[in-house]
Amino acid sequence: DLVMTQTPLSLSVTPGQPASISCKSPQSLLHTDGKTYLSWFLQRPGHSPHLLISEVSSRLSGVSDRFSGSGSGTDFTLKISRVEAEDVGLYYCMQTLYSPYTFGQGTKLEI
Amino acid sequence: QAQLVQSGAEVKKPGASVKVSCRASGHTLISYYMHWVRQAPGQGLEWMGFINPRGDSTSYAQKFQGRVTMTRDTSTSTVYLDLSSLTSEDTAVYYCASRGMEAAFQHWGQGTLVIVSS
Repeated sequence: DLVMTQTPLSLSVTPGQPASISCKSPQSLLHTDGKTYLSWFLQRPGHSPHLLISEVSSRLSGVSDRFSGSGSGTDFTLKISRVEAEDVGLYYCMQTLYSPYTFGQGTKLEI
Repeated sequence: QAQLVQSGAEVKKPGASVKVSCRASGHTLISYYMHWVRQAPGQGLEWMGFINPRGDSTSYAQKFQGRVTMTRDTSTSTVYLDLSSLTSEDTAVYYCASRGMEAAFQHWGQGTLVIVSS
């Protein structure tokens, strides 16, 4: 199974400050179709996961533009430009190129 | 508004089976692949597998092979997760998730807590 490694595992950020989470894959997530199958989710306490970004950098409609995704191949980053109180929760990256699909361990964002 | 609504919490004894349902409404979510993901207490997310829109093809994580069955009833827009030979390690919240207009895993059910305890 592809082990996705997130760092850091926890993050304490002052409101208004930026935050960054790294996600690394041991193999490239670039498919022959030209797409890279790496997504980012936020799971707020007591809620289901919520898709923020798909295919590395495509932000879902309704997701704040404070969130951005970048990277290629094996190294990916989720950035929050200015953290707000509603951003608290667990952030997961997920690869959907290889079966079984796998998630990172999760990064806990606190304010 | 696209929505996935799951069945209620279950308590099962070790060795038993559980069947969790996920009904799609508000959109043609049932036309998409449906995935199941679980989360043990205090743990991360674990993908279990998916079933295709017609319900005639499935793919399961090897970890669950032989114990898991995913089915769908297109007439009621409902998909089902069957997990057998339960142990305490299967205690978890089970989520269904489907593709939306924009991306895979765009829509999630509210989760179903399954507790396995003697």
